[in-house]
Amino acid sequence: EDQVTQSPEALRLQEGESSSLNCSYTVSGLRGLFWYRQDPGKGPEFLFTLYSAGEEKEKERLKATLTKKESFLHITAPKPEDSATYLCAVRLGISNFGNEKLTFGTGTRLTIIP
Amino acid sequence: GAGVSQSPSNKVTEKGKDVELRCDPISGHTALYWYRQSLGQGLEFLIYFQGNSAPDKSGLPSDRFSAERTGGSVSTLTIQRTQQEDSAVYLCASSPYLTDTQYFGPGTRLTVL
Repeated sequence: EDQVTQSPEALRLQEGESSSLNCSYTVSGLRGLFWYRQDPGKGPEFLFTLYSAGEEKEKERLKATLTKKESFLHITAPKPEDSATYLCAVRLGISNFGNEKLTFGTGTRLTIIP
Repeated sequence: GAGVSQSPSNKVTEKGKDVELRCDPISGHTALYWYRQSLGQGLEFLIYFQGNSAPDKSGLPSDRFSAERTGGSVSTLTIQRTQQEDSAVYLCASSPYLTDTQYFGPGTRLTVL
């Protein structure tokens, strides 16, 4: 069965303290790994898409990387406004339309303490 | 431009009643998705539309759940005879044709008493 597991479930960091969030997956036919940020009471906000092992994407203090079995979301010198739940999702399969459902992990709740 | 919108933002209903949840996708987006997010659970896929057709309904949990999309735009998710386990946040997302990124709306929080 295809699975997406995120760790840790929750992470508290001091402002400026860098760390990484993990997303491991056991799927066949991966066709994209996605990172989203979700603030309380809001819908997920798209951050990154990664397609192949070795690929990296960056945005401000965030960098996402991908291997054949997992992805990391590295956060460098975080600020309190980076506090949110970070969701990882994978897309499988092939279709003529190029759109398929995403399978999500349960997320990592990140808290940055001033 | 305008993002995905959903209405109502909150819905409280009594067990056994029917509810309708609405999603307005981003203009021009051909694909539309419904997901459900329960407390402590990840987002759970419900149904996917391409235009007005639903190639994948595999996530609908029971025949009490149905969805339709008209004019390649607005979608309605209907839950009949609601149960307490239906309480969750229902999220809608849309994406352009032949692209991967899904853009989410703010969700509808459904509470079944």
